[in-house]
Amino acid sequence: EVQLVESGGGLVQPGGSLRLSCAASGFTFSSYWMSWVRQAPGKGLEWVANIKQDGSEKYYVDSVKGRFTISRDNAKNSLYLQMNSLRAEDTAVYYCARTDIVVVVAATHFDYWGQGTLVTVSS
Amino acid sequence: SYELTQPPSVSVSPGQTARITCSGDALPKQYAYWYQQKPGQAPVLVIYKDSERPSGIPERFSGSSSGTTVTLTISGVQAEDEADYYCQSADSSGTYRAVFGGGTQLTVL
Repeated sequence: EVQLVESGGGLVQPGGSLRLSCAASGFTFSSYWMSWVRQAPGKGLEWVANIKQDGSEKYYVDSVKGRFTISRDNAKNSLYLQMNSLRAEDTAVYYCARTDIVVVVAATHFDYWGQGTLVTVSS
Repeated sequence: SYELTQPPSVSVSPGQTARITCSGDALPKQYAYWYQQKPGQAPVLVIYKDSERPSGIPERFSGSSSGTTVTLTISGVQAEDEADYYCQSADSSGTYRAVFGGGTQLTVL
């Protein structure tokens, strides 16, 4: 059974940093792209970032470029999101998601999701 | 930036057919995907590659595509189908960036 368990969320002041982790099990982690998707309170889903199997390709939504860094450790079956210079608008539940890619059309989608971890940016 | 447009809400009575649309300029060239999200829960993939259904998803869920619009159809709606539904695709930049629609709240009357 595929399991994705996020951790690391919490309350942080504007301008602060936080590192999210996602522990994966039940599948061959190193064979899949992985992503972070967030959802602000009462709002819709927003893709944040994704990373290729070997970490050689990474993509970000424009609003987090230069502030967030996605990474992975295939030996530990873990995905990470380093979040710096946090803003109030980054407040959201952050989901880790296993990602499937269709190379021909550069399509990406999310076939398994964790339960999410809440990040609150407030003074 | 690329956008996908969904109606904010759709209402149907039990047993009827619900249709949720999603519009986007790149949809003729990109696959669409649909997710169901119930309150307090993570999203669940219900349709992939426009019209394919993952294992475990009931047959009453189907997807279709026509030009710049894709449609999620739920036939014989049940009370348990009440949820938010999100379409998702990618822009045409070829860089694996995902985009979500704003979501549609399905109410079963």
